[in-house]
Amino acid sequence: RKEVEQDPGPFNVPEGATVAFNCTYSNSASQSFFWYRQDCRKEPKLLMSVYSSGNEDGRFTAQLNRASQYISLLIRDSKLSDSATYLCVASWGGGADGLTFGKGTHLIIQP
Amino acid sequence: GAVVSQHPSRVICKSGTSVKIECRSLDFQATTMFWYRQFPKQSLMLMATSNEGSKATYEQGVEKDKFLINHASLTLSTLTVTSAHPEDSSFYICSASGGRGSSGGDSPLHFGNGTRLTVT
Repeated sequence: RKEVEQDPGPFNVPEGATVAFNCTYSNSASQSFFWYRQDCRKEPKLLMSVYSSGNEDGRFTAQLNRASQYISLLIRDSKLSDSATYLCVASWGGGADGLTFGKGTHLIIQP
Repeated sequence: GAVVSQHPSRVICKSGTSVKIECRSLDFQATTMFWYRQFPKQSLMLMATSNEGSKATYEQGVEKDKFLINHASLTLSTLTVTSAHPEDSSFYICSASGGRGSSGGDSPLHFGNGTRLTVT
C-alpha cells in the first residue's frame, strides 16, 4: 500500500519562530519528493522539491532521510503569510505519474 | 511560467444534472492531465489520468461512466460529472505535467485553480 503520512496539526506557531514538520512514506522505492503549499480553497502550488542532499530556498529547508523514510520541512523566521496547509508528495514513478499526496499539515502563524 | 486554466471555478447545480469542467494548459502541451477530487480537510485524491487521444485511466473506486473524461487535444481535457448527486459535491482540481514553473523550478505538476461543485 502506497501511503504518505503527515501530522495534520494544526501547528500554532508565533510569528518569527522556527517550525518543522515531517512526512513519512511507506514505499522505499519512492524516487522523488516534493512539498506543496495549499491555501484554503485554492489549488496546491509547488513549494520545493526535496533532493537527497537536502536543499534550501530562503527560509525553507527540506531534508530527505531515506534510511528512515521521511522527509522534513523547516521554516525559519515564520511569517503570517506562511499560514497554509503543507502537502507532502511522493512519486513512485519518478515523475508526474504515481504521485501520492499526504493529507497535509495545517500551519497557523500567530501574530 | 506554465499555466493551467480550469473553468468554471464554482458551479452549483441541481441533483440529476450534468456538469462539465474544462482544464487547459495555456503555454505548453500536456500529453497527460490528471483529475483530483478533494473533500473538506482531506487530501487530494487522484480520480483518473487523462492521456491525449486515448481513454482515461481511472483509479479504483471511481466510476468511469459517471465521471467522463475527454482529452481531445494536447491542451484540453474535460471532466463531466453525469447525473450529479449531493455526495458529488467537492473540490475538483486538474493538473498537467510538463512545462516550467513560474519560480523557474520544474514542478512535476501544474494545477488548475480548481472547481468547487455544489449539488443541491
